[in-house]
Amino acid sequence: SQKIEQNSEALNIQEGKTATLTCNYTNYSPAYLQWYRQDPGRGPVFLLLIRENEKEKRKERLKVTFDTTLKQSLFHITASQPADSATYLCALASAGNNRKLIWGLGTSLAVNP
Amino acid sequence: ETGVTQSPTHLIKTRGQQVTLRCSSQSGHNTVSWYQQALGQGPQFIFQYYREEENGRGNFPPRFSGLQFPNYSSELNVNALELDDSALYLCASSYPTPGQGLTYGYTFGSGTRLTVV
Repeated sequence: SQKIEQNSEALNIQEGKTATLTCNYTNYSPAYLQWYRQDPGRGPVFLLLIRENEKEKRKERLKVTFDTTLKQSLFHITASQPADSATYLCALASAGNNRKLIWGLGTSLAVNP
Repeated sequence: ETGVTQSPTHLIKTRGQQVTLRCSSQSGHNTVSWYQQALGQGPQFIFQYYREEENGRGNFPPRFSGLQFPNYSSELNVNALELDDSALYLCASSYPTPGQGLTYGYTFGSGTRLTVV
């Protein structure tokens, strides 16, 4: 069955450092991979989308890579800030009209001042 | 431009009852998806509507049903509520670019927290 794995343990880093989160998947060939941020009791907030034919995407302090051979995506937050503390979710979607997202469990990130 | 609005924000129901959750999609978005998120879990896809037609369904029983209206707003109905239906219900809207597929992520509402007792 399709499976998405994210770092199960919470990630604690110091302010100013780069946070790197991992998303691995099996038994799936996604056309799109997305990263979302979710704060407690709130809906996910879209951050970045990368397509299967793209290797890297950047947006301000965020960078995502997508390796379809390794079936892995890495999500980086550079110059991290305490406000970046949240749960980060990886979601995959296939091509076609049915664009349901399959989600990982998320990784909790805490940036300490 | 308004985002996705869900109502109510919180709801407590008794097992066996029925519930209707509502969602107003982001302006210009014609696709609405519903997700169920249990505590500590990732969202689980319930179904998606595109131009008022169901366009895909996850592994949820038929007592989970939905509607999309001409203004692209949507409802999620759950009949015969069970204790395990307690979760955060999320609505997400999107607008795939014709011929290019998905070029942007989904816009989610803040969700409806449903508690079944």
